[in-house]
This record gives sequence, C-alpha cells and structure tokens, in this order.
Amino acid sequence: GQQLNQSPQSMFIQEGEDVSMNCTSSSIFNTWLWYKQDPGEGPVLLIALYKAGELTSNGRLTAQFGITRKDSFLNISASIPSDVGIYFCAGQGRDDKIIFGKGTRLHILP
Amino acid sequence: ETGVTQSPTHLIKTRGQQVTLRCSSQSGHNTVSWYQQALGQGPQFIFQYYREEENGRGNFPPRFSGLQFPNYSSELNVNALELDDSALYLCASSLVGTLTGELFFGEGSRLTVL
Repeated sequence: GQQLNQSPQSMFIQEGEDVSMNCTSSSIFNTWLWYKQDPGEGPVLLIALYKAGELTSNGRLTAQFGITRKDSFLNISASIPSDVGIYFCAGQGRDDKIIFGKGTRLHILP
Repeated sequence: ETGVTQSPTHLIKTRGQQVTLRCSSQSGHNTVSWYQQALGQGPQFIFQYYREEENGRGNFPPRFSGLQFPNYSSELNVNALELDDSALYLCASSLVGTLTGELFFGEGSRLTVL
C-alpha cells in the first residue's frame, strides 16, 4: 500500500532557528497536507497543497508540493516555543483517501 | 476548534470486550473518516463513511466496523478487543467532492485495553 516516509523523526533546535522537514512517497499524490498535533489533541491542518510545484505560505510556515508529486517539504522560520509539537505530512491519492506519515517531533531547547 | 466532537474522551476495557466510539461531524460536512493512532505513530486510516455507507477501508480486520447516520454523525465499533487496540481513535470530517479534501479532526477517544 501507499506509504509516506517523513524525516527527520525528531528535531532539537534553539528558539529563533529555522526548521525544515520533508516527506517522500513511492506513490503519486494529488494533494499534500501538513498537520500539527499538540499533546491531547487531534491534528490541525496547517497548509494544503494542490498542484505540483506549488509553494504556499501560512505566516512563518512555507510548504511546497514536489514536481514529481511524490514529495513535499515544510519550513518553519524563526521558531518560537509554541511551535513545539508533532508535524505530520499527509497525502491524498486518486482514491481520495488521506494517509499520514509517522511525524516529526519538534523540540525547542531553552 | 474544528467543530468535530468525540465521545468518550477516555475509556478502559478488557480483552475480549466490545467498544463503541461516537463522533459528531462539523456542520455541513458529509464524510467521516476514522483513524487509529498508536503511541508515537501517525494516524492510520481505518475507514471512511459517506452517505451512510463505507467508502474505503484501510488494513484493519472486520471486527472494526462503523456506522454513519443521516445527520452524518458516526460510530466506530470494535469487537473482541485485543491489547494492541490500545490507541487514540480519531474521527475526522470532510466534505467530499470539494477540491480541498482537508480533514477536520476531533480531539480523539483514548482507548486502553487491559
């Protein structure tokens, strides 16, 4: 079945640093989605990408839909303490089902 | 808040028992998807309901079943519980037929099987 490989698995950064994470797949997706999950809550949508090559920003977050339609990245600029959490990529294929990566755990060092 | 509500928020069951989890979708959304999230993992797709019928299923055994009601709310039923069923069960609503395909998640039901 379709699988998403998300990396890195975890990150430890200093406040103010930029963050980059990515997601790859052996399958083509029509939509790429990036979610953030805080402890005790469900994932919340951050950015949705619908076209190959698309680059979309949401505040300090920027994400791109890879040209091959098999990858996507998420960048966070000037990280702040509330950025701590788990970031998931998700892809939607032709069957309309959305599958998730295993997540990138972002930790910000004091 | 997404407008998706799930109940109960926490529950404890023993092996072999049955459980029913409930979800109310966001207003205007006609599709409900259920995901299982084990500790430290990403959400795994269980199945999706649209127009009161199962509309796609992930790699889960038949003892995982569901229902969708005319008001688009949904239930997830799990029979013959196993220890590995311990997880956070997430419900997500969406509007099929739109371009976005975005999911709006509830806060989940945390199931512990002893």
